[in-house]
Amino acid sequence: EAGVTQFPSHSVIEKGQTVTLRCDPISGHDNLYWYRRVMGKEIKFLLHFVKESKQDESGMPNNRFLAERTGGTYSTLKVQPAELEDSGVYFCASSQWYDTQYFGPGTRLTVL
Amino acid sequence: GESVGLHLPTLSVQEGDNSIINCAYSNSASDYFIWYKQESGKGPQFIIDIRSNMDKRQGQRVTVLLNKTVKHLSLQIAATQPGDSAVYFCAEPPVGAGGTSYGKLTFGQGTILTVHP
Repeated sequence: EAGVTQFPSHSVIEKGQTVTLRCDPISGHDNLYWYRRVMGKEIKFLLHFVKESKQDESGMPNNRFLAERTGGTYSTLKVQPAELEDSGVYFCASSQWYDTQYFGPGTRLTVL
Repeated sequence: GESVGLHLPTLSVQEGDNSIINCAYSNSASDYFIWYKQESGKGPQFIIDIRSNMDKRQGQRVTVLLNKTVKHLSLQIAATQPGDSAVYFCAEPPVGAGGTSYGKLTFGQGTILTVHP
C-alpha cells in the first residue's frame, strides 16, 4: 500500500509569490492533517480535515494560508503571498479515524 | 554536538550503547503519548505509543517509560545502531481524543540522536 505522498519535495520562491503544496493521503483515510516545522523547531499543527470538511483549523497562522480538500481525497495548501517566515517543512499526515497518523515525506519550502 | 541554527537537545552515543531520550509534558490529564522518529529528508515515523494506564511498554529494541507523577516520559533504545540516528519527537493528541491519535498532535521540541560507529 502506498504511503502519504507530497508534492513538490522542494520549492524555492520569492517573497510575495504564491505556492501550492499537494498531499495525497493513504487511500481510504478520511482524516488528513497538515503540520509544519519551522527553523528546526517543533512540528506544529496547522489543520485537520475529515473527508472534505475542516474539522480544526486552529493552527493556521493567518489568512495567507488556504487549505482545500475537494472531494475528500487529496488536499492542497496554498500560501499567498508567501513571506520569509513561511519557510520550513510542511508535512501532511493521514489516518483512519482513531488510528495512527502516518506522515508524508514533507515539502521543504524556502522563501527568499 | 548541536547543529548551528538548531536549538534541539542532542545525544551522541556509540554504536551498541543504550540511548535514553526524554520528554516532559505539562497536562496531568494527558492520557496518550506517541514517539516519532524523523530521519533526514523523511517525515516522522511512528515508533511506539503508550497510554496513561501503563507505566511501561516495550517494542522491538525500544521501551517507553511513563512517570505520571512528574509528567515525564522516556524512550529507551537498546543496542543503538547508526540507523537509529534521527530526530526523535514525543507527541500527544488532545485529551478529549480518548486515548487515540485522533486530532491535533502536539509535538515536543525533539532530540537529535547521533550514533557513532
